[in-house]
Amino acid sequence: EPEVTQTPSHQVTQMGQEVILRCVPISNHLYFYWYRQILGQKVEFLVSFYNNEISEKSEIFDDQFSVERPDGSNFTLKIRSTKLEDSAMYFCASNRDRGNTEAFFGQGTRLTVV
Amino acid sequence: EDQVTQSPEALRLQEGESSSLNCSYTVSGLRGLFWYRQDPGKGPEFLFTLYSAGEEKEKERLKATLTKKESFLHITAPKPEDSATYLCAVPDNYGQNFVFGPGTRLSVLP
Repeated sequence: EPEVTQTPSHQVTQMGQEVILRCVPISNHLYFYWYRQILGQKVEFLVSFYNNEISEKSEIFDDQFSVERPDGSNFTLKIRSTKLEDSAMYFCASNRDRGNTEAFFGQGTRLTVV
Repeated sequence: EDQVTQSPEALRLQEGESSSLNCSYTVSGLRGLFWYRQDPGKGPEFLFTLYSAGEEKEKERLKATLTKKESFLHITAPKPEDSATYLCAVPDNYGQNFVFGPGTRLSVLP
């Protein structure tokens, strides 16, 4: 069964460092997303991506964040200068249509900023 | 602002003890309601999509139902492996992404 894969599963970084989280969405999906979940809190939307551009972003997704689809398979989230409050689980998701069809999530990257 | 609430926050059941979880939403023009299961440290796993009031979907011991303002996830004769957090989500007003509820943490004791 096709699945969304994310690497790494766990990343520890020092405050102020840049991190890149990687995702391989399901191959025939067209819409890609990043969500995050701070420990014990809700899953929160960060950004959606379609046709090689951002289609929507939340208030969380400020200038420190960027996304890219560098080739036909990978989808990345970059945080330029990490802060302690960026520590969270980051989930990549994809679906074949917009938000009114089910999205499939990866297993997440646990980012710990120290 | 879109709101999704879930109750109860946590639920402990004995194996075989059936119950229901609630998801209430306030969005204009519902474009679907989605149930996910999340195990600790893992990503949400898709369970069901419901699009219209009166619709029902079933999968093993789980049945999801939808009314105009809320959805229920009924768990019949649960087993310990059903222990997880159950999330519901709705598309936002732009239909671009999901707004998630806080989840119900279900524990099924043997």
